[in-house]
Amino acid sequence: SAVISQKPSRDICQRGTSLTIQCQVDSQVTMMFWYRQQPGQSLTLIATANQGSEATYESGFVIDKFPISRPNLTFSTLTVSNMSPEDSSIYLCSVALGSYNEQFFGPGTRLTVL
Amino acid sequence: AQSVTQLDSQVPVFEEAPVELRCNYSSSVSVYLFWYVQYPNQGLQLLLKYLSGSTLVKGINGFEAEFNKSQTSFHLRKPSVHISDTAEYFCAVRPWMDSSYKLIFGSGTRLLVRP
Repeated sequence: SAVISQKPSRDICQRGTSLTIQCQVDSQVTMMFWYRQQPGQSLTLIATANQGSEATYESGFVIDKFPISRPNLTFSTLTVSNMSPEDSSIYLCSVALGSYNEQFFGPGTRLTVL
Repeated sequence: AQSVTQLDSQVPVFEEAPVELRCNYSSSVSVYLFWYVQYPNQGLQLLLKYLSGSTLVKGINGFEAEFNKSQTSFHLRKPSVHISDTAEYFCAVRPWMDSSYKLIFGSGTRLLVRP
């Protein structure tokens, strides 16, 4: 497995503002993923972030709303732009590791938008 | 396309009783199967996985699951639960040949262990 950290762990933001979430891994990984978990719901994949290439977004998610950076093999950021209360969720990053590329998750960032 | 169904949104059980959390999947291709646990205010932790070989897999914290290909199920079991097992449990699948390595999650089952 890997040690994955996220910053901030939680935040309360005003609508119309943006928040950047950081994900740091203690080893080099090729594939990183960003998920959203809305209150009481399961996880929905936002995008896959591979180092050296543009992020690949899932249906319903766009780069203007959720820009992602992946500057190296241990770090990624997700920005939630122009936030509204509907963006209130837990945002989790994960990495693919091992022979079968199992996913391991960070602790999540709990975002509340007022 | 693949889908995962966790029919039970919540499972209440008394401490030291056995428990089974159900997971069924739909897929036209072979898949890897996973169970994750999410304790309150935490991220997801990999509980166990079926990749190949024996259909009975053992995971952390005394949990086990059995892959049944004919019934397309991967039910999670524990013979005796503890209060500390109270958490949300997610079943997930990933197609063997999918190079994107994306997981498809079920809706989750909340296990509530009562004293």
